[in-house]
Amino acid sequence: QQQVKQSPQSLIVQKGGISIINCAYENTAFDYFPWYQQFPGKGPALLIAIRPDVSEKKEGRFTISFNKSAKQFSLHIMDSQPGDSATYFCAASMINTGKLIFGQGTTLQVKP
Amino acid sequence: DTEVTQTPKHLVMGMTNKKSLKCEQHMGHRAMYWYKQKAKKPPELMFVYSYEKLSINESVPSRFSPECPNSSLLNLHLHALQPEDSALYLCASSQQGAQPQHFGDGTRLSIL
Repeated sequence: QQQVKQSPQSLIVQKGGISIINCAYENTAFDYFPWYQQFPGKGPALLIAIRPDVSEKKEGRFTISFNKSAKQFSLHIMDSQPGDSATYFCAASMINTGKLIFGQGTTLQVKP
Repeated sequence: DTEVTQTPKHLVMGMTNKKSLKCEQHMGHRAMYWYKQKAKKPPELMFVYSYEKLSINESVPSRFSPECPNSSLLNLHLHALQPEDSALYLCASSQQGAQPQHFGDGTRLSIL
């Protein structure tokens, strides 16, 4: 019940296209859902996060869509750029606790 | 540049050596974390410190010994490690044990 399932494992998108990564969770007590972006040789960097009281959050080209009833959330990267090529991790947590439950990660390659 | 600083960036040690990893943050955060990350996998939580006290130990072998000398510093003491302990060790911090967590760029550890 603590798992977060992420798909796809890898994704190749053409420059300018839309990248979509999906995650699903089971524990309804989770109330904080961040996405982290990790480049090779670097630590994960917080990209965007959402609470379950909203269905969508947008920051620049990055959008989280959240479906509470389906217990699913997704990251959309609009106008994908080669610089977006990285590994993306979704995660879930209860906001006042220290434990982040990570998905398995998606390696995104944006081709020029 | 990340606001969580980890040193050294790379470390190679033998199985009989004793070494320490260091982490520092000046964001006034009162919770600090150690994670282990293997290649192409998500970070795995090892330890959580809250207000300089160990609050979570995820059943980590005793050859890893954490220490939190003050609210800005976190150490991970290493002794008699095994080759399978080779990984990227990440430090993170957050306000008072809540989210979001901010990660450093890690120490790449290789055990000979």
